[in-house]
Amino acid sequence: QKEVEQNSGPLSVPEGAIASLNCTYSDRVSQSFFWYRQYSGKSPELIMSIYSNGDKEDGRFTAQLNKASQYVSLLIRDSQPSDSATYLCAVRGRSGSARQLTFGSGTQLTVLP
Amino acid sequence: DADVTQTPRNRITKTGKRIMLECSQTKGHDRMYWYRQDPGLGLRLIYYSFDVKDINKGEISDGYSVSRQAQAKFSLSLESAIPNQTALYFCAIQGVRNTGGAGDYGYTFGSGTRLTVV
Repeated sequence: QKEVEQNSGPLSVPEGAIASLNCTYSDRVSQSFFWYRQYSGKSPELIMSIYSNGDKEDGRFTAQLNKASQYVSLLIRDSQPSDSATYLCAVRGRSGSARQLTFGSGTQLTVLP
Repeated sequence: DADVTQTPRNRITKTGKRIMLECSQTKGHDRMYWYRQDPGLGLRLIYYSFDVKDINKGEISDGYSVSRQAQAKFSLSLESAIPNQTALYFCAIQGVRNTGGAGDYGYTFGSGTRLTVV
């Protein structure tokens, strides 16, 4: 069983729409959750972190965490073509090797002009 | 200078050869990591180090070794390269909070090394 799962996509949305990216994780005691954006051929770039249940907003990005459902999501409002990238969900557990970040395989997002 | 510098950016090597990938950082962080990325598999942890004397295996360490020469330098070696080690390799660093829960920062990645083993 994969520890962090994402829909690989591709997900296509029109410019100006809301893009919704989802991630589930298997370790119930996971503590920290991150979203990275990765453009083709480039390195991952941290865009959001969230640690407690609820929503966290930063500009056009909103991260949502539901620990009971083991679910974290990223909403991108007013999507732009420049948002086209692969989005990686990463989860950190509580102890031992699980304290290192475990990454999902990513969701490829395309924003259509 | 970039926070995390990886060399080389691209490398083609032959099966059986020894190769070293280098990573250096300017942030003074203790925690450094090596990941590989393969299409459809995401990022997988090879090795990580919390300081010069603390080196740990990740989920896919077989066939790899590392050296933490200094706080700022963390090298990854493939002792005898094989074709299925063809991948994009990333080094990452992590800062740690001075108070409260440690390890709550995300990682900063280098630009990556694209390695091809033929």
